[in-house]
Amino acid sequence: RKEVEQDPGPFNVPEGATVAFNCTYSNSASQSFFWYRQDCRKEPKLLMSVYSSGNEDGRFTAQLNRASQYISLLIRDSKLSDSATYLCVGPNYGGSQGNLIFGKGTKLSVKP
Amino acid sequence: NAGVTQTPKFQVLKTGQSMTLQCAQDMNHEYMSWYRQDPGMGLRLIHYSVGAGITDQGEVPNGYNVSRSTTEDFPLRLLSAAPSQTSVYFCASSRRVGEFQPQHFGDGTRLSIL
Repeated sequence: RKEVEQDPGPFNVPEGATVAFNCTYSNSASQSFFWYRQDCRKEPKLLMSVYSSGNEDGRFTAQLNRASQYISLLIRDSKLSDSATYLCVGPNYGGSQGNLIFGKGTKLSVKP
Repeated sequence: NAGVTQTPKFQVLKTGQSMTLQCAQDMNHEYMSWYRQDPGMGLRLIHYSVGAGITDQGEVPNGYNVSRSTTEDFPLRLLSAAPSQTSVYFCASSRRVGEFQPQHFGDGTRLSIL
């Protein structure tokens, strides 16, 4: 099982909708994660951190469910500008992957 | 602040040529890394460094060399370019090793091997 797995999508939603993505992880010791946003042909950019208490930033809410080993990203009142690929990122506790593990991303397309 | 700077932004090479992708960061970050990103594959780690003079292999190191002579610079060398190395390359850095820190990315180098 991959250490961080995401539904690749695409999620096609109308403007103003609420959309949620999940990301599952395999290492039960993981306690912190990041969500990154990547626009087409651009570099990934940090969106928000996710700790055990969750995190909220405006229209974005991230939660960590340690019992079921998944994290979620909720986007309320979707904007056209939210269209991007969202990467789930977790810690790497070993192996050859450096100190972070990146999911392959979930693509979101917000339509007018 | 400049952050992570990558050069060049675009490059076309012929099979067998060598070249160096440059990466520099001005944030005094300990950790630096190189990724390649191909359609449907996500980010794959090539090499990383936890400090000056220390480098290690990532998931896909074959055909690439790195060195870290200073904290600021982490160049990636393609020894003999192959079409399979056509990709977008990202350099990233983070503040400290051993702590869960976000990585900051450069804006990428788009490399085509003919």
